[in-house]
Amino acid sequence: NAGVTQTPKFRVLKTGQSMTLLCAQDMNHEYMYWYRQDPGMGLRLIHYSVGEGTTAKGEVPDGYNVSRLKKQNFLLGLESAAPSQTSVYFCASSYIRETEAFFGQGTRLTVV
Amino acid sequence: KNEVEQSPQNLTAQEGEFITINCSYSVGISALHWLQQHPGGGIVSLFMLSSGKKKHGRLIATINIQEKHSSLHITASHPRDSAVYICAVRDRSGGGADGLTFGKGTHLIIQP
Repeated sequence: NAGVTQTPKFRVLKTGQSMTLLCAQDMNHEYMYWYRQDPGMGLRLIHYSVGEGTTAKGEVPDGYNVSRLKKQNFLLGLESAAPSQTSVYFCASSYIRETEAFFGQGTRLTVV
Repeated sequence: KNEVEQSPQNLTAQEGEFITINCSYSVGISALHWLQQHPGGGIVSLFMLSSGKKKHGRLIATINIQEKHSSLHITASHPRDSAVYICAVRDRSGGGADGLTFGKGTHLIIQP
C-alpha cells in the first residue's frame, strides 16, 4: 500500500518559473491537504479539498493554486515562484474530517 | 484561531529515560494528533485522541480536555526515538478553514 505519494521530492526553481506538485493517495480518502513547513514554525495550511472537484483556501493560500479533478490526486501549483516560497511542502489526506491524517514524504522546494 | 504551544522545544536524554512532551492549546478542539518526523523524513501519525489515554508500545498519549493540555510519554527511551514530535489540533468549530493547527515541534535526542 503506497499511502500518500508526493512528486517530486526535490526541486530547485528560478524566480518566476512555474511548477506543479502532485499528491496521490490510494486510500479512497475524501479530504486532502497541502501544508508548508518552514524553520521555527509549525506546519501551515495552504489549501485543502473535502472531495473530488472541491477546493478551499487555508491559512497561507497566496501565490498557490490547487485542483482536485480526481479523488486520488491533489495538485499544488506555483504560477510564478518567489524566494518566499522556498519551503518543505507536505500533502496529507484523511478519510473524513475526524479521522487520522496520513502524510506524504514531503517536497523540498528551493526558489533562487 | 487555535494557538498550540509545545514544551520543551528541545530535549536531550539518555537511553532508558522516561520522556514527557507537553502540548497546550487555547480553544476547544474535536481531536488532537501526535505526529513524529525523523530528520529529512516524512511525518507519521502516532496518535489521534479526543479524550482519555491511548497506548501503543512504549508510547502513551493523554489528554485533559478541561485543561486544554496533552502529554506524550515515551517509556524506556531508545536512540531510534530521536525525532521531532509534533502536536496538532483540529478545532471544534466548523467555521473558517479546515485542517490541523500545528505546534512548532519538540526536537528529541536520545543518547546511547
